[in-house]
Amino acid sequence: DAKTTQPTSMDCAEGRAANLPCNHSTISGNEYVYWYRQIHSQGPQYIIHGLKNNETNEMASLIITEDRKSSTLILPHATLRDTAVYYCIVRQSGNQFYFGTGTSLTVIP
Amino acid sequence: GAVVSQHPSWVICKSGTSVKIECRSLDFQATTMFWYRQFPKQSLMLMATSNEGSKATYEQGVEKDKFLINHASLTLSTLTVTSAHPEDSSFYICSASVGGGNEQYFGPGTRLTVT
Repeated sequence: DAKTTQPTSMDCAEGRAANLPCNHSTISGNEYVYWYRQIHSQGPQYIIHGLKNNETNEMASLIITEDRKSSTLILPHATLRDTAVYYCIVRQSGNQFYFGTGTSLTVIP
Repeated sequence: GAVVSQHPSWVICKSGTSVKIECRSLDFQATTMFWYRQFPKQSLMLMATSNEGSKATYEQGVEKDKFLINHASLTLSTLTVTSAHPEDSSFYICSASVGGGNEQYFGPGTRLTVT
């Protein structure tokens, strides 16, 4: 069962930062927070994951609260190609991914 | 690296026939592969987990006799939809991981339409 809640949809202006929130209040100490995105009719694409510390890679930043009950994915400069459904998933290492409903992000020109 | 392919990318079949979908890890050996199903405007739903050389573990509510999964090698898993019906029309996606690792690598998906 999905253990996360996300807003159903969000809009973001092109070139601005997109901040996508995720609540995971029942997360366990050994569960990671993952973010994937899915562009229409394609397989999910890995974005980033983290356990406790904030993480950054070439695609995005992941900010995890100190109590780990929520996190935010930040796309620093959204482009039209970032329009997709973004999934926040909590998972123990080696276990299955259970996808929630995700956030449909629309980047507006 | 870490590329997963699926074949075919789309398939149309008649009701009552069987369809096989292949999932391959192209540049790594996948000890575990996963199969998902996604209906329009819905999220991915995990169907089953398969480890190389052993029987697949199916999620609750997924008929193992209808969705046959074979994971005969470290680079290939197949999903066969037997006696397909229109309600089996969906987007089927596989993913692969290495040794219970942190990341799963997803394939591009297969669109199945049963007429």
